[in-house]
Amino acid sequence: SQTIHQWPATLVQPVGSPLSLECTVEGTSNPNLYWYRQAAGRGLQLLFYSVGIGQISSEVPQNLSASRPQDRQFILSSKKLLLSDSGFYLCALIRGGTDTQYFGPGTRLTVL
Amino acid sequence: KNEVEQSPQNLTAQEGEFITINCSYSVGISALHWLQQHPGGGIVSLFMLSSGKKKHGRLIATINIQEKHSSLHITASHPRDSAVYICAVSRGSNYKLTFGKGTLLTVNP
Repeated sequence: SQTIHQWPATLVQPVGSPLSLECTVEGTSNPNLYWYRQAAGRGLQLLFYSVGIGQISSEVPQNLSASRPQDRQFILSSKKLLLSDSGFYLCALIRGGTDTQYFGPGTRLTVL
Repeated sequence: KNEVEQSPQNLTAQEGEFITINCSYSVGISALHWLQQHPGGGIVSLFMLSSGKKKHGRLIATINIQEKHSSLHITASHPRDSAVYICAVSRGSNYKLTFGKGTLLTVNP
């Protein structure tokens, strides 16, 4: 079965600093990968998804970006964090031929 | 208006009670998902359904495609069922999810 790792688990960063969150996957090949954010008091929101290496689709215009340098690696980045970037970031995957999403443990980001 | 609406927003029950959480959506979907988010933040997929009814243990999920409505039922609720329950819909071939805001369920012993 598949396993999703997210690193780090928690992060506190100052406004204006860069960001790199990593998601790595085990136990499956060529999955669809997703980055979601859950801001305080709000529902989950899709940020980016990827159907393959180097293929990134953005759902919401913002100061974040994503990359997929390897089949099982999905990275969320920012050059300069905003206060509004605080939230719980979840990586998820779908295996080929299924519609069930599997979620990673998440990274809790606080921007001060 | 959100594409996915859940009710109630908060729900408190006594152990053993039968619980129902409702979800309505306003768009065409390929599937509806019920997710459980634990207090630590981790999310688990409970059900994915596109028609009819599914049952897993004490949890039952139903969907009415014509009415664009789904319900999640918990029979004989237990304090360990306390969590946020999230309804989400997927559309299109890329399986992107649109989420409701969640229902916070607290089951008291």
